[in-house]
Amino acid sequence: EPEVTQTPSHQVTQMGQEVILRCVPISNHLYFYWYRQILGQKVEFLVSFYNNEISEKSEIFDDQFSVERPDGSNFTLKIRSTKLEDSAMYFCASATRGMGEKLFFGSGTQLSVL
Amino acid sequence: KQEVTQIPAALSVPEGENLVLNCSFTDSAIYNLQWFRQDPGKGLTSLLLIQSSQREQTSGRLNASLDKSSGRSTLYIAASQPGDSATYLCAVVNYGQNFVFGPGTRLSVLP
Repeated sequence: EPEVTQTPSHQVTQMGQEVILRCVPISNHLYFYWYRQILGQKVEFLVSFYNNEISEKSEIFDDQFSVERPDGSNFTLKIRSTKLEDSAMYFCASATRGMGEKLFFGSGTQLSVL
Repeated sequence: KQEVTQIPAALSVPEGENLVLNCSFTDSAIYNLQWFRQDPGKGLTSLLLIQSSQREQTSGRLNASLDKSSGRSTLYIAASQPGDSATYLCAVVNYGQNFVFGPGTRLSVLP
């Protein structure tokens, strides 16, 4: 069964450093998402992406965050200058169609900012 | 603003029991509702998706119901097994918005 893949599974970085989290969505999906989950807290929406542009973003997704689909398969989340509070599990998800369709999640990247 | 709650926060049952997990949401104008399973340190696996026009969905031993007017959904698990041990998350989406997740119910099924 097709799946969303994320790399790396764990990322440790120093505060202030840039990180790029990578995702390969399911090939025929058109809608892409990033969510995050701080340890012990709810899964939170960050951003949705369709047709090579951001469709919606949350308050969390400030100027330090950016997303890109550099080619036909990868979808990346960049954090320009990491903060301690960015430590979380970051999940990529994709869907065939838009709002409210079944979401397929990757296994996540655990980001630890020291 | 949509708020999603789930009770109980944690549940421990012996193998073979039938059980019910509850999800409540404050804004009943949802587009659909999705139940997910999350294993420790892993991603989310979609279990069932219920469209706003539907009242329930079934997959194997799982049955999810939706009562939009009261802002509630239940996930029924029949004949629970140790392999069902995980955290179960409920998520709702309103028109023009993205999924809002509940905090989850952590289920332990004891052999």
